[in-house]
Amino acid sequence: NAGVTQTPKFRVLKTGQSMTLLCAQDMNHEYMYWYRQDPGMGLRLIHYSVGEGTTAKGEVPDGYNVSRLKKQNFLLGLESAAPSQTSVYFCASSDYHSGQGGYTFGSGTRLTVV
Amino acid sequence: GNSVTQMEGPVTLSEEAFLTINCTYTATGYPSLFWYVQYPGEGLQLLLKATKADDKGSNKGFEATYRKETTSFHLEKGSVQVSDSAVYFCALRLSGAGSYQLTFGKGTKLSVIP
Repeated sequence: NAGVTQTPKFRVLKTGQSMTLLCAQDMNHEYMYWYRQDPGMGLRLIHYSVGEGTTAKGEVPDGYNVSRLKKQNFLLGLESAAPSQTSVYFCASSDYHSGQGGYTFGSGTRLTVV
Repeated sequence: GNSVTQMEGPVTLSEEAFLTINCTYTATGYPSLFWYVQYPGEGLQLLLKATKADDKGSNKGFEATYRKETTSFHLEKGSVQVSDSAVYFCALRLSGAGSYQLTFGKGTKLSVIP
């Protein structure tokens, strides 16, 4: 039972480079999320999706794009990486509409932009 | 808006000490409340939850009671172990259709020394 899988686990980028982070879940969850975690800031929502083919902006969406072409996958793209995007990125998924369910998180991607 | 405030850390305790991590919230609706734990190098895991006033969530010796009158959800454990060293996040999620976002506190780092 894999749950939520994120790839890659680590990456170093040069300023201006692009990359895509992949999140895959095998629980048939409707909702998926991308968060970034920075020291002293907790987790901040970047983008989320409430179903296949839909995406929406979260708290800190600038500089990121997302796609949800298949229900089980949620991709986070950085078109032109900046040092301010150095962070740990977490993907999560959930299946409850009523608010009673929690999230299942991936193990994270540590990104450094130099 | 919705927000979660946790006591600032880090918190350092000796093994077998009593733990309390305070959490208070502000919400426009009627939220479900959660505690998540993040062990070093890992993603967040759901520790416990409570979905209505006076509910008590419990897991692995940890407990938290949903107090609507004080808008609080404090985490407690009677006797901590070294293996409890982690970062703990309080979070809320509103009930109702369209309520899919978790709002996190900034996290409290706990270190337990032998």
